[in-house]
Amino acid sequence: AQSVTQPDIHITVSEGASLELRCNYSYGATPYLFWYVQSPGQGLQLLLKYFSGDTLVQGIKGFEAEFKRSQSSFNLRKPSVHWSDAAEYFCAVGTGGGNKLTFGTGTQLKVEL
Amino acid sequence: DTAVSQTPKYLVTQMGNDKSIKCEQNLGHDTMYWYKQDSKKFLKIMFSYNNKELIINETVPNRFSPKSPDKAHLNLHINSLELGDSAVYFCASSRGTRADNEQFFGPGTRLTVL
Repeated sequence: AQSVTQPDIHITVSEGASLELRCNYSYGATPYLFWYVQSPGQGLQLLLKYFSGDTLVQGIKGFEAEFKRSQSSFNLRKPSVHWSDAAEYFCAVGTGGGNKLTFGTGTQLKVEL
Repeated sequence: DTAVSQTPKYLVTQMGNDKSIKCEQNLGHDTMYWYKQDSKKFLKIMFSYNNKELIINETVPNRFSPKSPDKAHLNLHINSLELGDSAVYFCASSRGTRADNEQFFGPGTRLTVL
């Protein structure tokens, strides 16, 4: 069965600093990988996704993620964080058989001004 | 606006009651989902419907009964509510059931069982 691990429950960064959120997955086949963001009291918004091809994918709001098959990782990065990036970030793996998304436990990002 | 909408946004009720949450999408999608987010923010799929047909049922208690009257609507009825049902319930939709079909999420319904 597939699983997703986000090792960092909370991360605090200063505005303008770089950011990396970690995600490791376990899945027997080629994974479909996603990063979602959830702002307080809101639903989930897709930041970016990886299906195949170039292992560095660009998303919205200046985010990017790199797929590393050898490390089973799909880490999310942003070169310069803005205060409005404070939110909960979820990594997920998608599988066929109904398009089931399995989520990690999330990383809460706080941004210090 | 094209979107996934849910009603109500907040629901507070007593243990033992029966309640329903409604979801509608106007994206023309064929597939809809219900997810549960617990107090620790953990998100887990509950059900998925494709063209009104149930395709995913993730060992959810049978007190939970989804109903899809048409492709644009997926409602969730919960019988005999328990304290542990308190959570945020998210509806989502996607074009189809392929793993590369992006899921669009609604704003969530926060259910509190007293």
